[in-house]
Amino acid sequence: DVKVTQSSRYLVKRTGEKVFLECVQDMDHENMFWYRQDPGLGLRLIYFSYDVKMKEKGDIPEGYSVSREKKERFSLILESASTNQTSMYLCASSTRTSGSLLRSSYEQYFGPGTRLTVT
Amino acid sequence: TQLLEQSPQFLSIQEGENLTVYCNSSSVFSSLQWYRQEPGEGPVLLVTVVTGGEVKKLKRLTFQFGDARKDSSLHITAAQPGDTGLYLCAGATRGYQKVTFGTGTKLQVIP
Repeated sequence: DVKVTQSSRYLVKRTGEKVFLECVQDMDHENMFWYRQDPGLGLRLIYFSYDVKMKEKGDIPEGYSVSREKKERFSLILESASTNQTSMYLCASSTRTSGSLLRSSYEQYFGPGTRLTVT
Repeated sequence: TQLLEQSPQFLSIQEGENLTVYCNSSSVFSSLQWYRQEPGEGPVLLVTVVTGGEVKKLKRLTFQFGDARKDSSLHITAAQPGDTGLYLCAGATRGYQKVTFGTGTKLQVIP
């Protein structure tokens, strides 16, 4: 069974604090993703990484940074938390696609999420 | 930017009823996934469809990929309270590592 774990289920931080969200996967997946999910806005991609030390901006990268020093671990950093970053944060992983149409390509496996509240 | 629109946004039905959820786009996708998300949890993969016109069944759930690979549907027969959740479709484009998620359909099945 694929397992994606996130460091916290619930987190409460103050405005201006630096926040670290950790994600670990045990399936040796090349790709890892960070999303935020807000009511009415769906899942929005913040950053993703397709290899160690590699990262690409998603649709809403402002105010966030990421780190991928090891293949199994992908961290999301809020440099200076703001109230508009209160959200559900979801981490996911997937195997790298190689232009193949294998069914397993593109399938994402999600962690349980971290509900972050910034006050 | 590729967009995936789902309809309806919300659905509240009685146990035992049938329902269909739609996922539509103007873009062609190489494959499409369906996920279910329960409150407070991450989405869980249900199925992947790859071939235009493909139909896949998962117990009472039937998934279909449109012939042109631009749309998909999810049909649930005799819905049960355990089917309650947010249903998400996600489209993938060959050669790209990320997928595009749909807007979601929130389903409530009342006992």
